[in-house]
Amino acid sequence: AQSVTQLGSHVSVSEGALVLLRCNYSSSVPPYLFWYVQYPNQGLQLLLKYTSAATLVKGINGFEAEFKKSETSFHLTKPSAHMSDAAEYFCAVSLSGTYKYIFGTGTRLKVLA
Amino acid sequence: DSGVTQTPKHLITATGQRVTLRCSPRSGDLSVYWYQQSLDQGLQFLIQYYNGEERAKGNILERFSAQQFPDLHSELNLSSLELGDSALYFCASSVDGRAAYEQYFGPGTRLTVT
Repeated sequence: AQSVTQLGSHVSVSEGALVLLRCNYSSSVPPYLFWYVQYPNQGLQLLLKYTSAATLVKGINGFEAEFKKSETSFHLTKPSAHMSDAAEYFCAVSLSGTYKYIFGTGTRLKVLA
Repeated sequence: DSGVTQTPKHLITATGQRVTLRCSPRSGDLSVYWYQQSLDQGLQFLIQYYNGEERAKGNILERFSAQQFPDLHSELNLSSLELGDSALYFCASSVDGRAAYEQYFGPGTRLTVT
């Protein structure tokens, strides 16, 4: 069965530091993978998605994620955190040929001045 | 702005009551999803519709029901409301609901049951 795990429900980084949010998935077939961001009192917004075209995916706001099949991971990174990056981030997985779409439990990112 | 609209933005009602939440998908999107987000349960998938037909069901209570109309807007009906139903309810839409396509989320309806 497919699933997605986000390690760390809360992550704090200093402004200007590297952001690393972890996502691991399990599925029996190649998945489609997504990262969404949710700012306070707003809906989720797509940051980036992996659909097998390239393993390194660049998204909006300077974020990127790398698909690593051997590690079943799709971690989200940003070289330098900005105060405006403070939000909750969700990883999601779906499987080709299905309509199932599973969200992780979310990681709340706090950026310290 | 995702192009997905939800009304109302806020709703306050009493236990035992029934409410209807409305969602209009992005222009051209055929699939609609409903989610419930609360502090203790996180983001929970409720139900998905594609072009008027139910396609997938998640953790939706029997007291809840939904439908998608011919003009593709969708409504989520919540009845016999309990305090624990207080949450943010999101609607999302996608092109056709297949796995490769991302979802576009509306701003949500905040339901408070008193």
